[in-house]
Amino acid sequence: GNSVTQMEGPVTLSEEAFLTINCTYTATGYPSLFWYVQYPGEGLQLLLKATKADDKGSNKGFEATYRKETTSFHLEKGSVQVSDSAVYFCALRGVSGNTPLVFGKGTRLSVIA
Amino acid sequence: ETGVTQSPTHLIKTRGQQVTLRCSSQSGHNTVSWYQQALGQGPQFIFQYYREEENGRGNFPPRFSGLQFPNYSSELNVNALELDDSALYLCASSPTRNNEKLFFGSGTQLSVL
Repeated sequence: GNSVTQMEGPVTLSEEAFLTINCTYTATGYPSLFWYVQYPGEGLQLLLKATKADDKGSNKGFEATYRKETTSFHLEKGSVQVSDSAVYFCALRGVSGNTPLVFGKGTRLSVIA
Repeated sequence: ETGVTQSPTHLIKTRGQQVTLRCSSQSGHNTVSWYQQALGQGPQFIFQYYREEENGRGNFPPRFSGLQFPNYSSELNVNALELDDSALYLCASSPTRNNEKLFFGSGTQLSVL
C-alpha cells in the first residue's frame, strides 16, 4: 500500500539556518504530494503541494520538488525563523480519485533565536 | 481561517465508555473526513462521508462509526473505549469528494483512563 517516510526529529536550528526535511514515499503511479504544518494547539494547514513529477510546490519561503526517480519530496527553506517552529508532515494522496491522505509521522522543528 | 470547528476541544473518558465528537464543516463543503493522530504519529484515516453516506474507511474497527447530517456537519462515535484510543481526533472538510483541498479543524484531544 501507499506509505510515507520522513526523517525523524526533533530538528533544532538557529534562526536564518537552512532547513531540509527529507521525505520519501511508496506508491503506484503518480500520487499527489503534500507538506502540512501543525503549529502548537492547532490543526493541520496545507503548506504546499505538487501533483506531478518535477513540479515544485512553494509557499512562505518553503519549497519541495516532486522527484519521481528518487520517490522523494524533500522540504527546504533557505532561512528559517522562530515562527517556523512547528511539526511538519509529508503526505500523499493516491492516484484513485477518492483516496484519503496518507501521512508520515511528522518532524518537529524548533528554531532558536 | 479554515472555518472547520470541532467540539469539545478536550475530553476525558474511562475505558469501556462511549464518546461522540462533533465537527462543523466549512460552508459549502460536502465531504468530511476523520483522522486519528496518536502522540508522536501522523494522522491516520478513519473514514470519510460524502453527502451523508460513508464512502471510504481506513483500518479501524466497527466500534468507530460516524454520521454526516444534511447541513454537512458530522459526528464521530467511538464505543467501548480502549486506552489506545487516546489521541487527537481531527476532522477535515473538502468542497469535493476527491479531497483536492482539505481544511482541518484544530481537533479534539481524547484521553481514555
